[in-house]
Amino acid sequence: ETGVTQSPTHLIKTRGQQVTLRCSSQSGHNTVSWYQQALGQGPQFIFQYYREEENGRGNFPPRFSGLQFPNYSSELNVNALELDDSALYLCASSLRVVTYSGANVLTFGAGSRLTVL
Amino acid sequence: RKEVEQDPGPFNVPEGATVAFNCTYSNSASQSFFWYRQDCRKEPKLLMSVYSSGNEDGRFTAQLNRASQYISLLIRDSKLSDSATYLCVVIVMDSNYQLIWGAGTKLIIKP
Repeated sequence: ETGVTQSPTHLIKTRGQQVTLRCSSQSGHNTVSWYQQALGQGPQFIFQYYREEENGRGNFPPRFSGLQFPNYSSELNVNALELDDSALYLCASSLRVVTYSGANVLTFGAGSRLTVL
Repeated sequence: RKEVEQDPGPFNVPEGATVAFNCTYSNSASQSFFWYRQDCRKEPKLLMSVYSSGNEDGRFTAQLNRASQYISLLIRDSKLSDSATYLCVVIVMDSNYQLIWGAGTKLIIKP
């Protein structure tokens, strides 16, 4: 059983550029969620995809967008990068949408660390 | 006011002591609650879910108080390996679905 893998692990961009981060979900998981974690802060929920559709979104502007593919892997795209976008971006997969059952735990990847200069 | 707030840290605690964390949430549409643990420069991992009746897993006990809108985590007989940041997570389900995380409380267990 493979876990959640994210790529790239580190990258540096400049303001105004665009970035695409990728995530392969754990085998058997159909739900992927993305988080932004600034240094010393908790993860901030960006959005969640279930069966290729966005089914939840946090307080992030539209320049943060995503996709989920038929194999349940996912991409996070950020346009018009700003300095404050510098953070660790975490992807998590789960068997299905985490609701009442604690059994549908989130399995996280190691993250992609983005630096915007 | 943040939607999910946790005790500020760090907590410096001697090995073997009992330590308690609190987490308050403001959205009444909060449905499910979890504690995650995050080691330095690592990804978060589920520690335990929090059920209305309270639940225990070894040295860890979680409680939920819906009336006062807070959850707690108690760690008994703390070990050096318990040193980590503990994150409170709340699932809100109203017109939107969100997983809202607290900023975390850093715990340092000293020998």
